[in-house]
Amino acid sequence: NAGVTQTPKFRILKIGQSMTLQCTQDMNHNYMYWYRQDPGMGLKLIYYSVGAGITDKGEVPNGYNVSRSTTEDFPLRLELAAPSQTSVYFCACSPILAREQYFGPGTRLTVT
Amino acid sequence: RKEVEQDPGPFNVPEGATVAFNCTYSNSASQSFFWYRQDCRKEPKLLMSVYSSGNEDGRFTAQLNRASQYISLLIRDSKLSDSATYLCVVNKGSARQLTFGSGTQLTVLP
Repeated sequence: NAGVTQTPKFRILKIGQSMTLQCTQDMNHNYMYWYRQDPGMGLKLIYYSVGAGITDKGEVPNGYNVSRSTTEDFPLRLELAAPSQTSVYFCACSPILAREQYFGPGTRLTVT
Repeated sequence: RKEVEQDPGPFNVPEGATVAFNCTYSNSASQSFFWYRQDCRKEPKLLMSVYSSGNEDGRFTAQLNRASQYISLLIRDSKLSDSATYLCVVNKGSARQLTFGSGTQLTVLP
């Protein structure tokens, strides 16, 4: 039982490039989330999903897109990367909405 | 006012000490409260939920004060392994989201 896995662990992007951050969970939770964490700051919600085919914006969705075709997978797409997107990205899941969440190990992204 | 506010610390305490963290929240409609811990360069992990009547888990005690809109975390008999950042987490009332505080950094010294 791996819980929540994220790939890649680290990535350096050039300005204007695109990439997809992968997130997979084997906990059979309906609810999944993407957060970013900047140094010394709290986690900010980017997007979340309440089930396959259903996604919604969080607090800071600009510059990102998501899809949810299965219960297990919730990829985050960055289009036209900008230096402001340099951050640590965490994926999480939960059995109940807005209740305790379980996080993946994170992806450290640098955009230069 | 921030939705969730925590004293960033750092708190440096000797092993065996008792330490307490407070967290205030602004949304009086919030219903769910949690403490998470985050080790350096790692993901947040759930430490404990906070219930209205207060609750204890070993050396950790969490309290909720709805009237004053704050929650607290008490750690007794601190261990070196308690060194981490502690995140206060509150749900946004009826919204489908959790708000994370910026965290309080704790270092337990030998």
